[in-house]
Amino acid sequence: DGGITQSPKYLFRKEGQNVTLSCEQNLNHDAMYWYRQDPGQGLRLIYYSQIVNDFQKGDIAEGYSVSREKKESFPLTVTSAQKNPTAFYLCASSIVRGGSPIRSGANVLTFGAGSRLTVL
Amino acid sequence: AQSVAQPEDQVNVAEGNPLTVKCTYSVSGNPYLFWYVQYPNRGLQFLLKYITGDNLVKGSYGFEAEFNKSQTSFHLKKPSALVSDSALYFCAVRDLGRDDKIIFGKGTRLHILP
Repeated sequence: DGGITQSPKYLFRKEGQNVTLSCEQNLNHDAMYWYRQDPGQGLRLIYYSQIVNDFQKGDIAEGYSVSREKKESFPLTVTSAQKNPTAFYLCASSIVRGGSPIRSGANVLTFGAGSRLTVL
Repeated sequence: AQSVAQPEDQVNVAEGNPLTVKCTYSVSGNPYLFWYVQYPNRGLQFLLKYITGDNLVKGSYGFEAEFNKSQTSFHLKKPSALVSDSALYFCAVRDLGRDDKIIFGKGTRLHILP
């Protein structure tokens, strides 16, 4: 079955440590996204990528880094510079615009199950 | 800047009654609008989208939403609520006048009371 796999599901980190969250998709989607979810704040965009070897900052990119070396993979590193990293992290992917925007699946995000990061 | 507002943190509805979850948006160009649902400790699932065409959009699980350009709203509706509809609902927008960012509202928790 096609989908998005995030790992690990739960992660604990000590202050001052970097940690990398994995996101892999086998949907052949061009675009991939990282969101952070905090109670009462909804989803906030961290980084997104529309094509391999290219990515853009979202609204809360400070303290995070990403890479997009392969179409299938978009790992997120939470660095020690992120002041409040405890959160639920969601990875998503979508078909990029191109062709009819109303075709089924276009613009729709497919989400992974999430990774919950806790800083001790 | 593009933005999405969900004015209600929580909505309580009795089972069998109609439900409405509100969403308003602000974009510089034409919007693509979406509704997603999230169950506890899970990722989001797509419910429906408005791209163009009919203002009333039908989606999964009997949900529908009405696009109102003059009021910049995209409220989610269902004629008869089920207890299993209890979840967290998110409205999202993609601004065609800008980049490919997809921005989400803060979410509305829907409680269906048996």
